[in-house]
Amino acid sequence: EPEVTQTPSHQVTQMGQEVILRCVPISNHLYFYWYRQILGQKVEFLVSFYNNEISEKSEIFDDQFSVERPDGSNFTLKIRSTKLEDSAMYFCASIRDRGSTEAFFGQGTRLTVV
Amino acid sequence: AQSVTQPDIHITVSEGASLELRCNYSYGATPYLFWYVQSPGQGLQLLLKYFSGDTLVQGIKGFEAEFKRSQSSFNLRKPSVHWSDAAEYFCAAILTGGGNKLTFGTGTQLKVEL
Repeated sequence: EPEVTQTPSHQVTQMGQEVILRCVPISNHLYFYWYRQILGQKVEFLVSFYNNEISEKSEIFDDQFSVERPDGSNFTLKIRSTKLEDSAMYFCASIRDRGSTEAFFGQGTRLTVV
Repeated sequence: AQSVTQPDIHITVSEGASLELRCNYSYGATPYLFWYVQSPGQGLQLLLKYFSGDTLVQGIKGFEAEFKRSQSSFNLRKPSVHWSDAAEYFCAAILTGGGNKLTFGTGTQLKVEL
């Protein structure tokens, strides 16, 4: 069964450093998402991406964040200068097309900023 | 504001007992509704979803959920819980025509006693 894969599974970084979280969505899916879950809190929407551009973003997704689909398979989330409060589990998800609402999630990347 | 509420943060049940996890939503129109499960170290797995039609929906792993418009609820049930059901359960919603981003509840941590 096709699945969304995320790398790395764990990332520890120093405050102020840049990190790139990587995701490979399901190959025939067109809509891509990043969500995050701070420990003990709810899963929150960060950004959605379609047709090589951001289609929606939340208040959390400020100028420190960016997303990119550099090739036909990867979908990345970059945090330019990490802060302690960026420590969270980051989930990538993809949806097949606009008419589909079932999101397939990756296993997540746990980011720890020290 | 549009929101999803899960009133119970933690629930403990004995193996073999029945289970009901509560979910309420606050939306102007009936949203698409979902239940996801997150096992330790795993991503989010879709258990079931409701779009329209029959208000009792069946999902994977023996779970079902009932949509009640009058109560704005979408409670998850299982007649007999297994120890492997211990996990965190998230109710989520997509507003119809709202770009397919998921709004999650805070989650319910299920513990199963043997």
